[in-house]
Amino acid sequence: DIQMTQSPSSLSASVGDRVAITCRASQSIGSYLNWYQQKPGKAPKLLIYAASSLQSGVPSRFSGSGSGTDFTLSISSLQPEDFATYYCQQTNSGSPLTFGGGTKVEIK
Amino acid sequence: EVQLVESGGGLVQPGGSLRLSCAASGFTFSDHYMDWVRQAPGKGLEYVGRIRNKANSYSTQYAASVRGRFTISRDDSKNSLYLQMSGLKTEDTAVYYCARISLCSGGSCPRPLDYWGQGTLVTVSS
Repeated sequence: DIQMTQSPSSLSASVGDRVAITCRASQSIGSYLNWYQQKPGKAPKLLIYAASSLQSGVPSRFSGSGSGTDFTLSISSLQPEDFATYYCQQTNSGSPLTFGGGTKVEIK
Repeated sequence: EVQLVESGGGLVQPGGSLRLSCAASGFTFSDHYMDWVRQAPGKGLEYVGRIRNKANSYSTQYAASVRGRFTISRDDSKNSLYLQMSGLKTEDTAVYYCARISLCSGGSCPRPLDYWGQGTLVTVSS
């Protein structure tokens, strides 16, 4: 199975900060990488699909980049509602789907 | 409005069985692949399995951790998805989410999970 490694596992940031979360795949997955946001007690929400495509309704301060094995989720100016846990997910055809371990974004 | 509503969770003893349901509305259920994803208390997301649509023979795939114990099925006439769980272990304790797989468009088919239910808690304990 393809392993997904996210870093950092947690971070503290202030409102207005730029934040970057990375996700590394154990083998090349092309652009088959999605990002989700999850708030406590809620279901995950799709933010970015195919590495860099913004899901409808998601604020433009969220962006994704990368291909192959290395990917990044960026938040250009952190807002109060962005404090949450973020997960990457690979959907490479033929491989069982796997999620990264998550990155918790906390208020500094 | 797309809605996914899970039901059927509860407390079950180790070795027992449970059937989860997911009622879908607001979209053409029969067109979509559907996934089950679970989350143990305080832990991350874990893929459970997938069922494809009729055009793809309703084929299924499962995570190694549940293969042979869990079965995913669907009834397109009822817009419903199911997860039959047997041989339950304490490590199966989790919130179970059903999720819709986005349809492919253009030349790319990343198949993200674009809608999720609210989840149903399964607790395996004696």
